[in-house]
Amino acid sequence: QKEVEQDPGPLSVPEGAIVSLNCTYSNSAFQYFMWYRQYSRKGPELLMYTYSSGNKEDGRFTAQVDKSSKYISLFIRDSQPSDSATYLCAMKGGSEKLVFGKGMKLTVNP
Amino acid sequence: ETGVTQTPRHLVMGMTNKKSLKCEQHLGHNAMYWYKQSAKKPLELMFVYNFKEQTENNSVPSRFSPECPNSSHLFLHLHTLQPEDSALYLCASSQDAKGLYGYTFGSGTRLTVV
Repeated sequence: QKEVEQDPGPLSVPEGAIVSLNCTYSNSAFQYFMWYRQYSRKGPELLMYTYSSGNKEDGRFTAQVDKSSKYISLFIRDSQPSDSATYLCAMKGGSEKLVFGKGMKLTVNP
Repeated sequence: ETGVTQTPRHLVMGMTNKKSLKCEQHLGHNAMYWYKQSAKKPLELMFVYNFKEQTENNSVPSRFSPECPNSSHLFLHLHTLQPEDSALYLCASSQDAKGLYGYTFGSGTRLTVV
């Protein structure tokens, strides 16, 4: 079993839709959870950061971590064409290296 | 200029060529990383430098040779590459080697080996 599993998609939704992106993981030592957004021909940029379990909200974006299920999610409300990008989950324990998912390519159609 | 800057943005090289990728960060970070990004695969960590010292070599072939002259600059020297080495090479930095608050990435160098 891979350490981090992420469906690579692609996912296509209409403008205004609620988008749900997910990752599962196997390493119970992971405590730091991140979502990166990568636009075409750019490097990944940190979008959301969560420590341990719980929810974190930033504007239209909500990150959720369920450590009991080893499952993390990123929700995008009122999705916009400018949200079209590849979204990568990433996570780590205290002293381990950052482990990335494969990335999910999202297209929001106007 | 701020953030992490990588040059060149695109590079095409033959299998017998020698070239170098450059990365520079203006964030005052102490740790720098090289990653390889290929289609439909997770980011692959190649090298880690902390305070100019290499702390991790993730079983990378010797045809890739990193160099870190100071905490702000990182190079990746390339020689006798193979076509399967074609990928996006990303440089990243973090405040320290623990990277608990994530990494800042450059825009990458798109490398094509012909």
